[in-house]
Amino acid sequence: AQRVTQPEKLLSVFKGAPVELKCNYSYSGSPELFWYVQYSRQRLQLLLRHISRESIKGFTADLNKGETSFHLKKPFAQEEDSAMYYCALKGQAAGNKLTFGGGTRVLVKP
Amino acid sequence: KAGVTQTPRYLIKTRGQQVTLSCSPISGHRSVSWYQQTPGQGLQFLFEYFSETQRNKGNFPGRFSGRQFSNSRSEMNVSTLELGDSALYLCASSFSGGALDTQYFGPGTRLTVL
Repeated sequence: AQRVTQPEKLLSVFKGAPVELKCNYSYSGSPELFWYVQYSRQRLQLLLRHISRESIKGFTADLNKGETSFHLKKPFAQEEDSAMYYCALKGQAAGNKLTFGGGTRVLVKP
Repeated sequence: KAGVTQTPRYLIKTRGQQVTLSCSPISGHRSVSWYQQTPGQGLQFLFEYFSETQRNKGNFPGRFSGRQFSNSRSEMNVSTLELGDSALYLCASSFSGGALDTQYFGPGTRLTVL
């Protein structure tokens, strides 16, 4: 069975401070890991995926297979980063089944 | 490109009724997935259709069903509605579901069961 855990429901940080959202997963094979973001009154959208090793909007995430983690980090949070963030896993089987974590709400205070 | 569209956006039904939700994917996309989002259970995968065939299925009862048409549009149906079916239903489309394939989500249909 595959499972994704986001231990923090809410993260509140000041503008300019670093922010780290934790994500741990359980999967017996080699998964694909993603971070999705939902800004207020907008659709759920892909932020980044581990396979691309990219930085989007200043965010990075490293897949740590030993710790089965995929934490999302940004060194200097901005007010526009306030949103709901979801970590998601896709298994090795064909197709698009995503298993989502419970989500972390990020609030960046001025 | 136009985004994923879902109709209707809001729906109110009573227990025991059945409901059909519609999803139009981005042009050229052949995979459509459905998710249920509730405050208690979060985002849960319902099923995925690819080229008119169900490719993956989540752990939902048989009251939840879906189909996909030759133009890739998809519908999901919930029969004998229960109060617990009240949720936001999201659909997502992608080209094929392979590596580096991005799923694009629609705005959702908010279903309320009274």
